[in-house]
Amino acid sequence: DTAVSQTPKYLVTQMGNDKSIKCEQNLGHDTMYWYKQDSKKFLKIMFSYNNKELIINETVPNRFSPKSPDKAHLNLHINSLELGDSAVYFCASSQGLIASSYEQYFGPGTRLTVT
Amino acid sequence: GEDVEQSLFLSVREGDSSVINCTYTDSSSTYLYWYKQEPGAGLQLLTYIFSNMDMKQDQRLTVLLNKKDKHLSLRIADTQTGDSAIYFCAEIPVDSSYKLIFGSGTRLLVRP
Repeated sequence: DTAVSQTPKYLVTQMGNDKSIKCEQNLGHDTMYWYKQDSKKFLKIMFSYNNKELIINETVPNRFSPKSPDKAHLNLHINSLELGDSAVYFCASSQGLIASSYEQYFGPGTRLTVT
Repeated sequence: GEDVEQSLFLSVREGDSSVINCTYTDSSSTYLYWYKQEPGAGLQLLTYIFSNMDMKQDQRLTVLLNKKDKHLSLRIADTQTGDSAIYFCAEIPVDSSYKLIFGSGTRLLVRP
């Protein structure tokens, strides 16, 4: 059984389009995250939700909007895509807030390419 | 700042030991982590160490923590080709509001 799943795995789209990436976890975790990994493999957190409440909102353009319909899902919608948005986006979840030993479980990633 | 630094690349021969180093930023960080990323995959937690520990051993993995120098290392004994991956250290600074701050990653290449 897949613990954290993301769809799609690959996404190729043109500048200016709007796209969504979906994430689901079947671990019963309370906390979910979105990370962006750039071409140099640098990984940085974008958002975090705990019990459907936004906890972390890094300096991310307003074009990025996370939505958590329930604790098991955290989707990422991106408006007006730009070339610089090309990256691998990882969803993750943890049992609780990670100020402890709670392990984060990562999804397989969504490779977004904006042309 | 929030820079967690790692060397970019390490190449070892199969059977040798690998040591991956990390310098973190916040001496108050309570937990420090090592994650592994295989090609085309997400990150997988390898091990973590609590800040009141100097060393933690888990099978082939040994984590050493030097709080004074804010230095963390991961030693992999008897390195295998399957260990080839990118290794990330990460910390949770005290004032980070539960953010996990990752290093830049070290790409480990194990040569047969």
